Amino acid sequence: GAVVSQHPSWVICKSGTSVKIECRSLDFQATTMFWYRQFPKQSLMLMATSNEGSKATYEQGVEKDKFLINHASLTLSTLTVTSAHPEDSSFYICSALGLAEDNEQFFGPGTRLTVL
Amino acid sequence: AQKITQTQPGMFVQEKEAVTLDCTYDTSDPSYGLFWYKQPSSGEMIFLIYQGSYDQQNATEGRYSLNFQKARKSANLVISASQLGDSAMYFCAMREGLEGYQKVTFGTGTKLQVIP
Repeated sequence: GAVVSQHPSWVICKSGTSVKIECRSLDFQATTMFWYRQFPKQSLMLMATSNEGSKATYEQGVEKDKFLINHASLTLSTLTVTSAHPEDSSFYICSALGLAEDNEQFFGPGTRLTVL
Repeated sequence: AQKITQTQPGMFVQEKEAVTLDCTYDTSDPSYGLFWYKQPSSGEMIFLIYQGSYDQQNATEGRYSLNFQKARKSANLVISASQLGDSAMYFCAMREGLEGYQKVTFGTGTKLQVIP
């Protein structure tokens, strides 16, 4: 199956710093990628939909100036958490939409962010 | 209103027995897709099975089958012959929207524990 990677897999940062998370589709081109966050023992919450070459579409309640998404190529989308605070600590997961008929999402392994 | 409802926060099943995980959905789109994912403690999302809204037959993938009842808007996952490795969180998800702008919504999940 298709492979999606995320980097880094975990990161610890100080409050006020910015953190960039990369999501790559390794063996296929993904025109659409999704960014989710997941708090402990909770479901995945869609943050934004990232389309290559256009601005991301953010879900209600997600601050677009705080969570910057860039989808510059068909294989790479980045999420930058700007001026991170402890409440931003979470598990961030990206997924890429495949081209198969069932439009299966291929998920990355996730990035665990801890803001001190 | 919740788009995806999973009413079972936790389930226990005896090893080798079958178990059904419930999922109901709400959409006005005529075309949509339903997914089930498994999330073990390591965090990665593992695709299990897909059902398209126009599919006439229930989807099956090995020990997984999806009991799709369109009129009732339910898409229950049936796991046959449970194994200890099936212990994990299970999420039901729905994709809706037109090509180019699609959105996937996840349910709150069911924690399945398989008992030896």
